[in-house]
Formats: sequence, C-alpha cells, structure tokens
Amino acid sequence: GAVVSQHPSRVICKSGTSVKIECRSLDFQATTMFWYRQFPKQSLMLMATSNEGSKATYEQGVEKDKFLINHASLTLSTLTVTSAHPEDSSFYICSARGPAPRGYTFGSGTRLTVV
Amino acid sequence: GESVGLHLPTLSVQEGDNSIINCAYSNSASDYFIWYKQESGKGPQFIIDIRSNMDKRQGQRVTVLLNKTVKHLSLQIAATQPGDSAVYFCAEITNAGGTSYGKLTFGQGTILTVHP
Repeated sequence: GAVVSQHPSRVICKSGTSVKIECRSLDFQATTMFWYRQFPKQSLMLMATSNEGSKATYEQGVEKDKFLINHASLTLSTLTVTSAHPEDSSFYICSARGPAPRGYTFGSGTRLTVV
Repeated sequence: GESVGLHLPTLSVQEGDNSIINCAYSNSASDYFIWYKQESGKGPQFIIDIRSNMDKRQGQRVTVLLNKTVKHLSLQIAATQPGDSAVYFCAEITNAGGTSYGKLTFGQGTILTVHP
C-alpha cells in the first residue's frame, strides 16, 4: 500500500532557529500534500495544501512567511518552521493525496519542541 | 467550518462491549467521510469510509452510519478490545468525486479507553 515517510519524528530546537520537516511519498507520486498541526488532546488543524511545482495554499490565520512549504518534486514536500518560538511547539503531520484506496495517506508525525 | 481548539471528549468501555463514537460534521456539501484512528505520537490511520449516497457501511468489527439530515456520523466498534484504545476522528471531504479530491477537514475527535 501507499506509504508516507515523515522525518524527523522528534526535534528539539532553540528559540529563534529554523526547523525543516520532510514528507516523502515512498511508492507513489503525490501532486498534492497537506500539512496539519495538532496540539495535545485536540484535533488536526489543516495548515496548508502543498502542490507540486506551485505555491502552497495556506489556511486562514496561518503565516506563510513563518511556515515555508516547498513541494519541488512529486515525492517530497518540506515544511520549514522559521524563527521558531515555544508557541510553535506542536505535533506536525503531513498527508499525501495519491493512489491509495482512500486517496489520503498520513505520515507518522513530527513532535517539535522549541526551548 | 473548521475544527476549533476544543479538548476531546472521552469514552470509556469495558473489553468486549460495543463502542459508539459520534461526530457532527459541518458542511452539508461534503460528499465523502472517513473515520481515522490515532494512537499516541502517531499519524491517523484509516479505519472506514462512506460516501454521501450511502447511510451505512460495514467493515471488520466496525460500522459507520451516516445521517445527512442532521449531519451526523457514527462509528460502531463491536467487541471492543484494549488495542482499540486511541483517539478517533471523523473527517469530511467536499468534492471528492472522480479524480478531484478536496481537502480533508477533521472533526473534534473522541478519546476511547478500553478497560480489560
């Protein structure tokens, strides 16, 4: 079946630094990927839709200059949290839209802690 | 609308009981619904889906019911096991037909705890 690999699974960074999270579709091409953010004991909130070869579409309230998304190939999308602050600490999850039976496959998530 | 930052409701059951998890969705134009299971520290895992032209779909130990009149979705888990303990989310998609998938919007979610 379709597999989405997300790395790193955990990252701790200092306030003010940038962190890059990768999302790869391993056995299919994904023209569209989605990035979600999840706080403890809350639901997944869609941040942005990443389209290969074009600019990402951000949801209302999400700062595009802070959460940089690059989808340069059909198998890789990256989310860079720039100038991270403690309030950016969260669980970030990517999803790829592909040929999976149900069309959406999720990565295993990245736990970001900003200290 | 989008899911808001509310804390998740909880459901506790005994092993072997049946569980029913409910979800109210927001968009009457949504035409495809999915239930996901999320274990701690992991991404969502597909459980079962249903299209808006159906009102019931069964899988292995799971059944999804859709009531479009009141925009309500439920997930029934038969003979619940400790391994079913997780957070369960419903998700809705609009314009899911053909090759054009819409974006996935998650509902609030429910924490299911199964006691041995």
